[in-house]
Amino acid sequence: AQSVTQLGSHVSVSEGALVLLRCNYSSSVPPYLFWYVQYPNQGLQLLLKYTSAATLVKGINGFEAEFKKSETSFHLTKPSAHMSDAAEYFCAVSVNTGGFKTIFGAGTRLFVKA
Amino acid sequence: NAGVTQTPKFQVLKTGQSMTLQCAQDMNHEYMSWYRQDPGMGLRLIHYSVGAGITDQGEVPNGYNVSRSTTEDFPLRLLSAAPSQTSVYFCASSVGRGSYGYTFGSGTRLTVV
Repeated sequence: AQSVTQLGSHVSVSEGALVLLRCNYSSSVPPYLFWYVQYPNQGLQLLLKYTSAATLVKGINGFEAEFKKSETSFHLTKPSAHMSDAAEYFCAVSVNTGGFKTIFGAGTRLFVKA
Repeated sequence: NAGVTQTPKFQVLKTGQSMTLQCAQDMNHEYMSWYRQDPGMGLRLIHYSVGAGITDQGEVPNGYNVSRSTTEDFPLRLLSAAPSQTSVYFCASSVGRGSYGYTFGSGTRLTVV
């Protein structure tokens, strides 16, 4: 069965600093990987996805993530944090094993300090 | 397009009551899922459907039923509400298998007292 681990339930950065949110996955078959963002009192929005094409994936709002098979990681980064990036971020893994299930990590709340 | 529409947005139930959370999408998506979101636990899959007439259980299916009679609608039924079912419920849909990502509804905040 697949699983997702997000390292750090809270991350705090200063405005303009690098954002790094960590995600490790476990899957017995090649996975699809996703990052979603959730703003307060809203549903989740897709930031970016890895689907076995390029290992470096660019998403919306300046975010990108790199798939590293050897490390089973899919960390999310942004070179310069903005106040509007403050939100909760979820990593998710999806595999086709006769059905279709997407499993989410526990989430990382990003705080951005002025 | 409305996307994924969930109703109601808020609901308070008494223990033992039953209710149905509604979910409808207008994107002709085959895949739909229900998740619950609890603090510190992320989203946990309750039930999912790969098309009309086909449903399957997720990680936490106990106490919930689903059906998928049309492509558009995927209601979630709470059979006998318990305080442990207090949560925020999200419905999501996807155009295809695995690689497309989900479109989420805005959620239903349910409190069971």
